[in-house]
Amino acid sequence: QKEVEQDPGPLSVPEGAIVSLNCTYSNSAFQYFMWYRQYSRKGPELLMYTYSSGNKEDGRFTAQVDKSSKYISLFIRDSQPSDSATYLCAMIHSGNTGKLIFGQGTTLQVKP
Amino acid sequence: EAGVAQSPRYKIIEKRQSVAFWCNPISGHATLYWYQQILGQGPKLLIQFQNNGVVDDSQLPKDRFSAERLKGVDSTLKIQPAKLEDSAVYLCASRAGGTNYGYTFGSGTRLTVV
Repeated sequence: QKEVEQDPGPLSVPEGAIVSLNCTYSNSAFQYFMWYRQYSRKGPELLMYTYSSGNKEDGRFTAQVDKSSKYISLFIRDSQPSDSATYLCAMIHSGNTGKLIFGQGTTLQVKP
Repeated sequence: EAGVAQSPRYKIIEKRQSVAFWCNPISGHATLYWYQQILGQGPKLLIQFQNNGVVDDSQLPKDRFSAERLKGVDSTLKIQPAKLEDSAVYLCASRAGGTNYGYTFGSGTRLTVV
């Protein structure tokens, strides 16, 4: 079993739709949760960062962490064609050296 | 602030040949990572440096992969000999101290082994 599971998609939605991306994980030691966006032929860039459980909102993006269920989500409101990319969830153990454990990535296409 | 620089951007080699990748991190970032991203998968850590010392190389295939970070700045990752399954994007990332989220990734080197 992988430490972090993410549905690879692909996911195709019309412009303006609400997008929900999810990851599950198995290791309860994870404390730091991140979402990265990766455009084609580019490196991942940090989108959202959450420590422990709770919600965090930044513009059209909302990240949720439910540690009791070992489940994290990213919501994108009013999706735009420029949001078309691969979204990677990533996590860090509480006591380690900052090593990121990534999910497989979900490819999102937002159609105009 | 300049980003993480990587070169070359693309490389095609035959199996059993050797190849090297170079990374220049953001100035002042003490921690440097090399990740391998196989098509359709998330990045996987190969090696982590803190200044010029290795912190974690548990997933580095040491029979064929090597990496160094001389003087705690630039880093090189080498594969010798390459196998078909080494075809991937090799991402370099650096991180400032004191945060768990201040990673910056380079655009990567796309390696194709034929």
